[in-house]
Amino acid sequence: KAGVTQTPRYLIKTRGQQVTLSCSPISGHRSVSWYQQTPGQGLQFLFEYFSETQRNKGNFPGRFSGRQFSNSRSEMNVSTLELGDSALYLCASSPGRGGFTEAFFGQGTRLTVV
Amino acid sequence: SQQGEEDPQALSIQEGENATMNCSYKTSINNLQWYRQNSGRGLVHLILIRSNEREKHSGRLRVTLDTSKKSSSLLITASRAADTASYFCATDADDYKLSFGAGTTVTVRA
Repeated sequence: KAGVTQTPRYLIKTRGQQVTLSCSPISGHRSVSWYQQTPGQGLQFLFEYFSETQRNKGNFPGRFSGRQFSNSRSEMNVSTLELGDSALYLCASSPGRGGFTEAFFGQGTRLTVV
Repeated sequence: SQQGEEDPQALSIQEGENATMNCSYKTSINNLQWYRQNSGRGLVHLILIRSNEREKHSGRLRVTLDTSKKSSSLLITASRAADTASYFCATDADDYKLSFGAGTTVTVRA
């Protein structure tokens, strides 16, 4: 079974630009979560989607948005990039049924804002 | 803010020794999980312990959970160079969301 795939792996953007990151979950998984990891703040929850519905959202500004498609693939978008948005963005998938179970993470997208 | 806090922040041990790290959290949980991360890559799930369990084993890993103290520990026995990584505890206090601690960086010296 293929794992969680995140594209692209690396990205360099300029302040003020926008960026879209993609995540393909494990086949059959309907829950996709996004996390931001930085040296200063650690792993911070961005949002979680299940069957195209956002079920939970972290404390991030409205510049951070996401969506999930009918095939469970998910994208997250960051508009008007700031230097502080430089981070490793991790996507995780899980079956999503019932209580929270283990999450399967992708390798991440390393975003650098210059 | 983070739900879990790991202790110590960093740990250096000799190959073959045991490594123990602790995690404390703030609110009631359904389960607690431990993950490993190698060099800024994705996280790998190690073990999940439910709130009604006190101890769980998986290979060289042993996890304990004390809900009265809101704390958990991860023991890695007979460590190997490949165990060099950062280890995170994660709790599910909030629906559909994992809250991670700051992590413990483990270095296993040959």
